[in-house]
Amino acid sequence: EVQLVESGGALVQPGGSLTLSCEVSGLTFSNYWMSWVRQRPGKALEWVATIKKDGSDKYFADSMKGRFTISRDNAKNLLYLQMNRLRVADTAVYYCATGGWNLENWGQGTLVTVSS
Amino acid sequence: DVVVTQAPLSSLVILGQPASISCRSSQSLVHSDGNTYLSWFHQRPGQPPRLLVSQISNRFSGVPERFSGSGAGTYFTLRISRVEAEDAGFYYCMQATHFPRTFGQGTKLQIK
Repeated sequence: EVQLVESGGALVQPGGSLTLSCEVSGLTFSNYWMSWVRQRPGKALEWVATIKKDGSDKYFADSMKGRFTISRDNAKNLLYLQMNRLRVADTAVYYCATGGWNLENWGQGTLVTVSS
Repeated sequence: DVVVTQAPLSSLVILGQPASISCRSSQSLVHSDGNTYLSWFHQRPGQPPRLLVSQISNRFSGVPERFSGSGAGTYFTLRISRVEAEDAGFYYCMQATHFPRTFGQGTKLQIK
């Protein structure tokens, strides 16, 4: 059974930083592109970032470029999202998902709250 | 960026009746590799999204046959042949042909 478990969500002040993790099991992690998607409270899904299988290519939504970094550790089956200069508007549930085109499997999400 | 527009934004369907949601993109979603990366997701309150259909019409593993996707180019449709109570929730289409990936606004489906 494929499982994705996000962690690292927390309450953080505006301007602060946070790193989210996503542990993947049940598949060969290094064979999959991976993505982060977020959902602000009561809002639609919003794509955040995608990373290639070997981590060599990364893609970001415009509003996150320069502030967020996506990375992976294929030896540990872990995906990361490092978020800097956080804004109140970044408050959301962050999901990791397998795939870069077809987002087949999703984690339960981790809540990031940016507030003073 | 590719704008993806869903309609309707809300729908009330009688149990056992069909339902249909459309998704229109501002640009063609045909990729240079020949595929069209348009997916549909279902999300229940408090739950993560679940992939229903990828590349217009490929039902994901475990998705009931009552769900079907169709379309081409810039116009796509998700159909539920006979809605069941468990189909209530939000439905999203997403294009993954172009970066940035973009989602539709979501369609709230209520079952009566």
